[in-house]
Amino acid sequence: AQSVTQPDIHITVSEGASLELRCNYSYGATPYLFWYVQSPGQGLQLLLKYFSGDTLVQGIKGFEAEFKRSQSSFNLRKPSVHWSDAAEYFCAVVERYGNKLVFGAGTILRVKS
Amino acid sequence: DAGITQSPRHKVTETGTPVTLRCHQTENHRYMYWYRQDPGHGLRLIHYSYGVKDTDKGEVSDGYSVSRSKTEDFLLTLESATSSQTSVYFCAIHRELNYGYTFGSGTRLTVV
Repeated sequence: AQSVTQPDIHITVSEGASLELRCNYSYGATPYLFWYVQSPGQGLQLLLKYFSGDTLVQGIKGFEAEFKRSQSSFNLRKPSVHWSDAAEYFCAVVERYGNKLVFGAGTILRVKS
Repeated sequence: DAGITQSPRHKVTETGTPVTLRCHQTENHRYMYWYRQDPGHGLRLIHYSYGVKDTDKGEVSDGYSVSRSKTEDFLLTLESATSSQTSVYFCAIHRELNYGYTFGSGTRLTVV
């Protein structure tokens, strides 16, 4: 079965600093990968997704992610973090049978001023 | 997002009582899912459906059942609620056209 690992439970960055959230997946074929963000008490918002092609994917809110097959990684990055980016971030991979999304445990981002 | 609604949004129930959560879509998508979200675990799949009367188990299906008698409705039932089922429940649909997913706003269930 597919799995997703987000090694960092919490990350704290200063406002204006760069951000990288790590995601590793296990999947034999070319994975379909997603990043979602969830603000406290809210639902899930899609940041970006990767299916194939260019390994650097641009998303909303200035986020991007890079797919690295050799490292089984799909890390999320942002060059300059804003206080409003404080939220929980989830990486997910599609399990093709049933088109099921398999989520990582999430990374909580705190932004300090 | 438009097209998927969950009800109720909040519910408090007593241990041992049955509870049914409803997910309703307006766009005729084939695949529907129920997830639960707990701190430190992300979202975990409970059950999913791939058509009317076609359902299958997910990662954490024990204690839950589902039914889909119409394309638009996917019901999640806790036959006898336990405190370990206190959680936030999300319904989702799979959008075939752009291979995306839309999530409902969630149902916060508390079992006391």
